[in-house]
Amino acid sequence: ETGVTQTPRHLVMGMTNKKSLKCEQHLGHNAMYWYKQSAKKPLELMFVYNFKEQTENNSVPSRFSPECPNSSHLFLHLHTLQPEDSALYLCASSQGGFNEKLFFGSGTQLSVL
Amino acid sequence: AQSVTQLDSQVPVFEEAPVELRCNYSSSVSVYLFWYVQYPNQGLQLLLKYLSGSTLVKGINGFEAEFNKSQTSFHLRKPSVHISDTAEYFCAVSERDAGNMLTFGGGTRLMVKP
Repeated sequence: ETGVTQTPRHLVMGMTNKKSLKCEQHLGHNAMYWYKQSAKKPLELMFVYNFKEQTENNSVPSRFSPECPNSSHLFLHLHTLQPEDSALYLCASSQGGFNEKLFFGSGTQLSVL
Repeated sequence: AQSVTQLDSQVPVFEEAPVELRCNYSSSVSVYLFWYVQYPNQGLQLLLKYLSGSTLVKGINGFEAEFNKSQTSFHLRKPSVHISDTAEYFCAVSERDAGNMLTFGGGTRLMVKP
């Protein structure tokens, strides 16, 4: 158990659905991240929040919309996704400084039909 | 911008044998280097990291890695693997002035056989 909890663990959605992924950490960290892990591709950094402010948006399509209401919670809102968006979505947190160890959740396995 | 190449997508090895997982990176500035491990159905966990100082870094579970600046490599080694080491291993790099932005390699699947 890393202290970072993601729900749901698995999600199947159609291309017209709207869903949200949730991430929660109780480690007292100030930075939270969304990564996308696709088969046969390196992990891709999607978004970074530091002290609830978005500091990185790695050219992610607008059909992905992050939300960070406080330093313990991070959401990824999904709408009109494409089949190629099927992947494992990993949330991570860290203290927020440099060289900080990332603590990862177990991920949400997303399938878009 | 930096990049990370893990030369082997899969490494099969027998239990108690030594193993080396290769990682090369490219960057125009100084970097920090990391190895993360992902066990089945879990998120990633930090194995070890190189920030500065001694180029030989020891991590958890008996793993170590050596930073070689001239060869821009950060290979991961273990002298004797166990079945429980079966997992996906990711090398990552961050530039020294880029906060905590990690760039990951494609991963190497270590398969330990009895």
